[in-house]
Parts: sequence; structure tokens; C-alpha cells
Amino acid sequence: DAGVIQSPRHEVTEMGQEVTLRCKPISGHDYLFWYRQTMMRGLELLIYFNNNVPIDDSGMPEDRFSAKMPNASFSTLKIQPSEPRDSAVYFCASRYGNTIYFGEGSWLTVV
Amino acid sequence: AQSVTQPDIHITVSEGASLELRCNYSYGATPYLFWYVQSPGQGLQLLLKYFSGDTLVQGIKGFEAEFKRSQSSFNLRKPSVHWSDAAEYFCAVGLFGNEKLTFGTGTRLTIIP
Repeated sequence: DAGVIQSPRHEVTEMGQEVTLRCKPISGHDYLFWYRQTMMRGLELLIYFNNNVPIDDSGMPEDRFSAKMPNASFSTLKIQPSEPRDSAVYFCASRYGNTIYFGEGSWLTVV
Repeated sequence: AQSVTQPDIHITVSEGASLELRCNYSYGATPYLFWYVQSPGQGLQLLLKYFSGDTLVQGIKGFEAEFKRSQSSFNLRKPSVHWSDAAEYFCAVGLFGNEKLTFGTGTRLTIIP
């Protein structure tokens, strides 16, 4: 299997622009997670889905953040409008059983 | 509240020396436990996991970890490190029936010749 696939790997955008991060989970995995990693806060769980349904979005920092999972093979995390403090690495992960597998991450820089 | 502690922010080890990275957890029930490794610019790769049974678990790249319930610890070990082991290591803890994992703050490992 190709693993969890994320795109883009790197993005630099200007403050105020919309950012969309994409994720393809491992086929057959029933949970999908979005994490954010920063030096200050470490790894934070933003939101997770079970069978395409959002279960817990309590980690989403503000209304500027939204996530969707229209089908079992695709999810997006959107930031609109983006701000410099959103600069971070965003990881998508999928789970089967009790083990979570991470993608390579999307490195976001908002200037 | 449940928590995971990695007491060492940064560890430096000579190549060929042994390694132990510490992880302590605070949970009300028996957790399941993971170690992940993150190389620079990369995602998190699963090294090993413990769910139940034998408390000494073997992982990839020659790593092992031991679950000690009495000490609430799950320390990661390797008998002889290689320069390619330089990375950030994360301990993570979860509970059966709870989908969320709680991650430690990570330990950065530097290898010197």
C-alpha cells in the first residue's frame, strides 16, 4: 500500500488567502485524523472522522478551520482566511484497529 | 487527566553506544502504547506498539521497548545506535475504546561520531 498521501507537501501563501490541504488515507482504514505540529504546542489533534463522519472537532482552533471527508478515500482541511500563526506542519493519519499511520505532512507557511 | 511525559527534550549519544529514551504516562486504566520516529522533514513512522501480553516488544530498526506497569513507563531502547537514528522520537498513549492518541512532547536524538 502507498500509505497515507498528503498534498501539497509544501505551501507558502499570503495572509488572508484560502489554503486547502488534501489527504488520501490508506484503503480500508475507517478512521482519519488531522493533526497540527508546531514547535510551541507539539502535536495537536484537530479533528477526526469515523467512516467519513466527523466525530470530534474540539481541537479545531477557530471557525477559520474546516474539514470534510466526502468519501472514504479523500479528506480536506481548509483554512480561510489564513494567518501567519497557522504556519505549521499538518499531518493526516488513518487508522485500522488500534494503530495510526501518518502521512508525510503538509508544511504550511503563511507570510 | 491523562498525560504522557517524555522527560528528556534532547539526548546526545555516540554512535555505537546504547540508547534509552524515557516515557511515562498517567492513565486511569491500562493503556496501549506506541513509539513513533520522525526524521527531519518527514512524517511520523511507527517503531513499535504494545497492546497486551509480553511486556517487552520488538520494533523496526532494532528498537525495543518495555512496558512496566508498576512504573507507568514504556521506555525505548536500542543496544547500538547508528548515525541514521538521529531523529525526533515520540511516545504516544491511548485507551481501548478511545480513538484519540495523546502524544508526548518528543525527544530529539543527536548522534555524534
